[in-house]
Amino acid sequence: EAGVTQFPSHSVIEKGQTVTLRCDPISGHDNLYWYRRVMGKEIKFLLHFVKESKQDESGMPNNRFLAERTGGTYSTLKVQPAELEDSGVYFCASKEGNTGELFFGEGSRLTVL
Amino acid sequence: AQSVTQLDSQVPVFEEAPVELRCNYSSSVSVYLFWYVQYPNQGLQLLLKYLSGSTLVESINGFEAEFNKSQTSFHLRKPSVHISDTAEYFCAVSDRYTGGFKTIFGAGTRLFVKA
Repeated sequence: EAGVTQFPSHSVIEKGQTVTLRCDPISGHDNLYWYRRVMGKEIKFLLHFVKESKQDESGMPNNRFLAERTGGTYSTLKVQPAELEDSGVYFCASKEGNTGELFFGEGSRLTVL
Repeated sequence: AQSVTQLDSQVPVFEEAPVELRCNYSSSVSVYLFWYVQYPNQGLQLLLKYLSGSTLVESINGFEAEFNKSQTSFHLRKPSVHISDTAEYFCAVSDRYTGGFKTIFGAGTRLFVKA
């Protein structure tokens, strides 16, 4: 069974450009999460989808970030326009129920120059 | 609001020595507690978890953690480490108030095992 996959693994863009990160969760997992880790700090919660609905987006930094999960399958996280402080590793995770473990992708490293 | 504090950012230790990675959390309600591990160039994977019942939980590779409610701690221990345990370890908490759906992570502890 395929795990959580993320694309791209690394993206380098200029300040002001747009980047879209993609996450394919484990098939059948209704819960999909985005997290971000900046330079050795904590892995910070961004948002949580249940199927195609945003259950909790309290961690989204600002309106330059847009997450979607059309059809309740894969998800995208778009940053537009990117700023220097958006650099970091963006992790996607999925899980079945509420007490089950989170299954993580390998992360998408974003570098904004 | 929940938070997780991992008291050590880096822990160097010699092979076969014991190790303890410390984790404290704050939450006003009952919690679920987790340790995740990230090996180089890989995603995070679950090491062990506490949901209920026995406060001492173990992993398949010899790690254990004990839930201490009075001290709000969930320290991770191993009596004898191997080179292959070199990785970054993350403590995490989710609370029963949100049904366990939102998991909050600490800043991680890098464990370096030296020969």
